[in-house]
Amino acid sequence: DTAVSQTPKYLVTQMGNDKSIKCEQNLGHDTMYWYKQDSKKFLKIMFSYNNKELIINETVPNRFSPKSPDKAHLNLHINSLELGDSAVYFCASSPGTTRGRSYEQYFGPGTRLTVT
Amino acid sequence: ILNVEQSPQSLHVQEGDSTNFTCSFPSSNFYALHWYRWETAKSPEALFVMTLNGDEKKKGRISATLNTKEGYSYLYIKGSQPEDSATYLCASPSGGYQKVTFGTGTKLQVIP
Repeated sequence: DTAVSQTPKYLVTQMGNDKSIKCEQNLGHDTMYWYKQDSKKFLKIMFSYNNKELIINETVPNRFSPKSPDKAHLNLHINSLELGDSAVYFCASSPGTTRGRSYEQYFGPGTRLTVT
Repeated sequence: ILNVEQSPQSLHVQEGDSTNFTCSFPSSNFYALHWYRWETAKSPEALFVMTLNGDEKKKGRISATLNTKEGYSYLYIKGSQPEDSATYLCASPSGGYQKVTFGTGTKLQVIP
């Protein structure tokens, strides 16, 4: 069974459209993340949720809105897509954010978004 | 802003050679250091999580050391194999312990 899954794997869409990417983890983790891999292959954090609560919200255009219906799911909705939004988006999860313990993250396979 | 830097950016080694690369991070307010291995067309996978100064961790032919006082970690690969070809990322939590900042990675190619 896939631990962290994302759908779709590929998404091609036109400028101005609204799209969503879904992420699910079956690891029982409390914390989930969205990362954007930019053109230089650099992973930049966008959002993080812990038990459905938003804990990290980086400087991301407000066209990007995360939603966590439960702690196993973290979806990313993007409004009014722009060319610059083209990238690979990775979802990840980790057991938690407990002070005194640092946990590794488990990544999904990525969603390649192409905006034309 | 937490700067996590890695060097070199890329590295080519012959099969059988041993190699190492560096991750540097601010030593103040250190919390932890993560290493990940990222193969092309796949997603990053955790190798190590290190927290204590002087820590050394090992997984097969790959090992890592940590110096929190001077702010660096080394990743070593002994007897590199073609399947070791990947980008190796280090990452460090900031903002207390919640936000993990990734370095830009070292891309390793092992030539058969």
